[in-house]
Amino acid sequence: EVQLVESGGGLVQPGGSLRLSCVASGFTFSSYYLAWVRQAPGKGLEWVANIKQDGSGKNFVDSVKGRFTISRDNAQNSLYLQMNSLRAEDTALYYCARDVGGTLDIWGQGTMVTVSS
Amino acid sequence: QAVLTQPSSLSASPGASASLTCTLRSGINAGTSTIYWYQQKPGSPPQYLLRYKSDSDKQQGSGVPSRFSGSKDASANAGILLISGLQSDDEADYYCMIWHSSIWVFGGGTKLTVL
Repeated sequence: EVQLVESGGGLVQPGGSLRLSCVASGFTFSSYYLAWVRQAPGKGLEWVANIKQDGSGKNFVDSVKGRFTISRDNAQNSLYLQMNSLRAEDTALYYCARDVGGTLDIWGQGTMVTVSS
Repeated sequence: QAVLTQPSSLSASPGASASLTCTLRSGINAGTSTIYWYQQKPGSPPQYLLRYKSDSDKQQGSGVPSRFSGSKDASANAGILLISGLQSDDEADYYCMIWHSSIWVFGGGTKLTVL
């Protein structure tokens, strides 16, 4: 079965750090771009970042540039999002998704990140 | 001004058609943009519906019924998701998305109510 499973979310204080993981199965992980998309409670979708198949290309939304890092381990079929200097406005459900040129065709169930003191 | 603007809500009757608009900011040409559409139901991740650039360059998502189709309104600089033969199961949030300035950008979403 083709699936993505996120983990690593939780409660963190403002200014803190968190590392999200996304493990893939059922497809050739190394052949695809991957992306992180987040959704604040009761709000719409916001694309956060994506990463090229070999990790050589990365893009970020302006609001997370310099604070978030995206990486992948193709040997472990894993995608990561390192989040530093977290702010209250980063509170959201974070989804990983398989990215086929904008067609985000496979999504995980998401992992919740809450930034609060 | 947001890159993509969607009406926050829309209501339509079962069996009718619903036209969901996604207006691109002035200066971004809808005619040359590929617009992607996603559906999200409460408590679930989004699902890809389709992408539309032109009648000759479009793609339906796997398993997505042909009741869902894309088009554009050049005069309004907008993309359109048309849902025909509305069913109660179509009640959901719908998001458009484009590639702009090296990132993907979502619209704010439209909540479609079928009643």
